[in-house]
Amino acid sequence: GAGVSQSPRYKVTKRGQDVALRCDPISGHVSLYWYRQALGQGPEFLTYFNYEAQQDKSGLPNDRFSAERPEGSISTLTIQRTEQRDSAMYRCASSYRQGGLGLASTDTQYFGPGTRLTVL
Amino acid sequence: QKEVEQNSGPLSVPEGAIASLNCTYSDRGSQSFFWYRQYSGKSPELIMSIYSNGDKEDGRFTAQLNKASQYVSLLIRDSQPSDSATYLCAVTTDTGNQFYFGTGTSLTVIP
Repeated sequence: GAGVSQSPRYKVTKRGQDVALRCDPISGHVSLYWYRQALGQGPEFLTYFNYEAQQDKSGLPNDRFSAERPEGSISTLTIQRTEQRDSAMYRCASSYRQGGLGLASTDTQYFGPGTRLTVL
Repeated sequence: QKEVEQNSGPLSVPEGAIASLNCTYSDRGSQSFFWYRQYSGKSPELIMSIYSNGDKEDGRFTAQLNKASQYVSLLIRDSQPSDSATYLCAVTTDTGNQFYFGTGTSLTVIP
């Protein structure tokens, strides 16, 4: 079936504007993760959901960042009052089983193509 | 202190050689360990997962985990030019809540 999709693929915005990044996970996948990846770095965890419940948001940099997944499928990452330092690739990943169960068999994450955000 | 550290590279090996990629982690309670491959401009894709001490082989890839020493490695045998990519090590917290990624090791396989 289809993989994880993200939109838009590229977003250029002016400093101070709000942006909303969308992630559509693989159908039937329970867990959804958001990451930010700077050039030459590994993905940095932001937050994750099991179904519609946000389980952990400790990775969100500050209160300008928020995420929701109201129906347990599509998720939106919103950045308010964007700043130039927010420029990065934002990646979404989904997995079939629930995360955070403390089991030694955390499920595979499948990554989407990412949204390249540029704040001018 | 970073949660996950990888040898920074870049690493160059001739075609057909063994490439060895290393990763150490700080959370002793970590349960799950992954190696992802990321081609330039693309998304990470899973290569191997390992959960218990020892070796796990899958084709030309072997993951090795040593929880006592808190390291995980990836060996690529008979390296091919198509293996040229950045390899990311990822580790979950003891609760499995968060994934921590290393900065990645760039591998170039020279024909």
